[in-house]
Amino acid sequence: GEDVEQSLFLSVREGDSSVINCTYTDSSSTYLYWYKQEPGAGLQLLTYIFSNMDMKQDQRLTVLLNKKDKHLSLRIADTQTGDSAIYFCAESRGGATNKLIFGTGTLLAVQP
Amino acid sequence: GAGVSQTPSNKVTEKGKYVELRCDPISGHTALYWYRQSLGQGPEFLIYFQGTGAADDSGLPNDRFFAVRPEGSVSTLKIQRTERGDSAVYLCASSLRGRTGLAGNPSTDTQYFGPGTRLTVL
Repeated sequence: GEDVEQSLFLSVREGDSSVINCTYTDSSSTYLYWYKQEPGAGLQLLTYIFSNMDMKQDQRLTVLLNKKDKHLSLRIADTQTGDSAIYFCAESRGGATNKLIFGTGTLLAVQP
Repeated sequence: GAGVSQTPSNKVTEKGKYVELRCDPISGHTALYWYRQSLGQGPEFLIYFQGTGAADDSGLPNDRFFAVRPEGSVSTLKIQRTERGDSAVYLCASSLRGRTGLAGNPSTDTQYFGPGTRLTVL
């Protein structure tokens, strides 16, 4: 199947760390992406990880990939109110089309 | 040098009407994608263009949906006889892919999204 699953909602306090989880089904995925969507806005690329890596760090963002379990996570350190948004994970299977298969999104609410 | 742009930002139409949604990709990007995002869902793939040709239209829901990209730059998504179920945000994305690099290269494959067109069918 093509399902990419995420938990629907996460609430954290400002300054805490947030961890958003994602599971995917296709082991042939080449890249996995995290996008951020703020209300009324398009999708903003946050970071990506190649399928042969298990971790990538980019400033406050840390991506962990467990390929055996097909589990991806995004950790945001020192979460700020400006991080409040919907976060989508997406898998790319490369090939001729390279279409993205998105999860349902996780709404992150940061409480001051 | 701007990002992907889409017009209109909002479109309200009546059931049965015809609509056109426009996407202007990042200059030099040969790959262009259309996605549809229904309320509370993630975006779903509709169609992919490589240059002027529709290389993969497997995501189009039915033959009321059609898209063109005649000069390999701007693309138009066309919906005939709109139905209430067509109401959604239509997103366009572009990537360099096909111009340089190989499949599976993030520098050419990363998709950059426009702000979307919110279509409401009454």
